Amino acid sequence: SQQGEEDPQALSIQEGENATMNCSYKTSINNLQWYRQNSGRGLVHLILIRSNEREKHSGRLRVTLDTSKKSSSLLITASRAADTASYFCATGRRGSTLGRLYFGRGTQLTVWP
Amino acid sequence: DVKVTQSSRYLVKRTGEKVFLECVQDMDHENMFWYRQDPGLGLRLIYFSYDVKMKEKGDIPEGYSVSREKKERFSLILESASTNQTSMYLCASSSPQLTGGHEQFFGPGTRLTVL
Repeated sequence: SQQGEEDPQALSIQEGENATMNCSYKTSINNLQWYRQNSGRGLVHLILIRSNEREKHSGRLRVTLDTSKKSSSLLITASRAADTASYFCATGRRGSTLGRLYFGRGTQLTVWP
Repeated sequence: DVKVTQSSRYLVKRTGEKVFLECVQDMDHENMFWYRQDPGLGLRLIYFSYDVKMKEKGDIPEGYSVSREKKERFSLILESASTNQTSMYLCASSSPQLTGGHEQFFGPGTRLTVL
């Protein structure tokens, strides 16, 4: 069963603009992760934020987590055409010790040159 | 770097055939996963394994089985392939020893077409 739901389903922007994607989830979590998938390829882990953290940065990525609202956002600053990909959020549920993650359906980001 | 490899990038099989999809990881990860990915449905977990010879059903195990005889290898078996199993299959591995967050490392995927 899906845990996360990304919003929007699709996002189209120009190079240099910022891209913001949102993720909502339903149950208590240990952590929330964001992954990227280039067309027809496997997923690549981008960033992990734990349930006791509110914000995390990695290069041009900024992730926020609001556990009271059960939501997260991924901000990509100064987007490039190479950022074109699908982005998925995944949650590790509290109480789960087997490493299972629950993925959303993804946001398709298109960055135009 | 962690490397997860899958035996084929593209595979075409006939209805009723027995199909084996192989996944190998080289980082001694305890956990391994098989997902299928279909447009609009995201990633759906078929089976996962947290140790050799151990397996757990995911959300859509029907029509599939798995085998994990060695720690580095996790096989997905379609006992009798059907056209509704045409999909992208993704293998992943993870370890709780890394960051404690179970981040998953994915293979490149196998695009299976069943005719």
